[in-house]
Amino acid sequence: EAGVVQSPRYKIIEKKQPVAFWCNPISGHNTLYWYRQNLGQGPELLIRYENEEAVDDSQLPKDRFSAERLKGVDSTLKIQPAELGDSAVYLCASSTGQYWTEAFFGQGTRLTVV
Amino acid sequence: SQQGEEDPQALSIQEGENATMNCSYKTSINNLQWYRQNSGRGLVHLILIRSNEREKHSGRLRVTLDTSKKSSSLLITASRAADTASYFCATVYGGSQGNLIFGKGTKLSVKP
Repeated sequence: EAGVVQSPRYKIIEKKQPVAFWCNPISGHNTLYWYRQNLGQGPELLIRYENEEAVDDSQLPKDRFSAERLKGVDSTLKIQPAELGDSAVYLCASSTGQYWTEAFFGQGTRLTVV
Repeated sequence: SQQGEEDPQALSIQEGENATMNCSYKTSINNLQWYRQNSGRGLVHLILIRSNEREKHSGRLRVTLDTSKKSSSLLITASRAADTASYFCATVYGGSQGNLIFGKGTKLSVKP
């Protein structure tokens, strides 16, 4: 069974440019998370989906970040415009939706804003 | 915001020694999980302990949970060079209805 797939793996953009990340969760997983991880830090939750509904986006900087999960499967996270401080690894994770179970993570997208 | 705080931030030991990492958290939880992250890779789930459990084992891993002190510990016995990684605790707390919140991690280095 395929794990959580993210693309691209690496992205370098100039500041003020837009960027998008894509995530394909494990089949049948209702819960999808997006995290941002800065170097040497733990992942910080940006948004959590239950199926197609964003049930918690309180940590998503809504002035420049947006996310969607169409049909409750794949998800995209967008930044527009990107700032230097957005350089980080963006991680996607999925789980079955029962909060006593583990989350499965993708390899992440390493974003560098120059 | 981050719920958990791991201690120490960094740990260096010799192969064969035991490694102990601690995690403290702030609010009541449903469960606490430990994850490992190798350099440049994604996170891998290691073990989950529910709030009504006090100790759990998985292979060379032993996790304890003290809800009265809001703390957990991860013990890796007979460490190997391959255990070199960052270790994170993550909590699912009651008020979040399922948010998985990570601490800042402990960076473990096991020297051959």
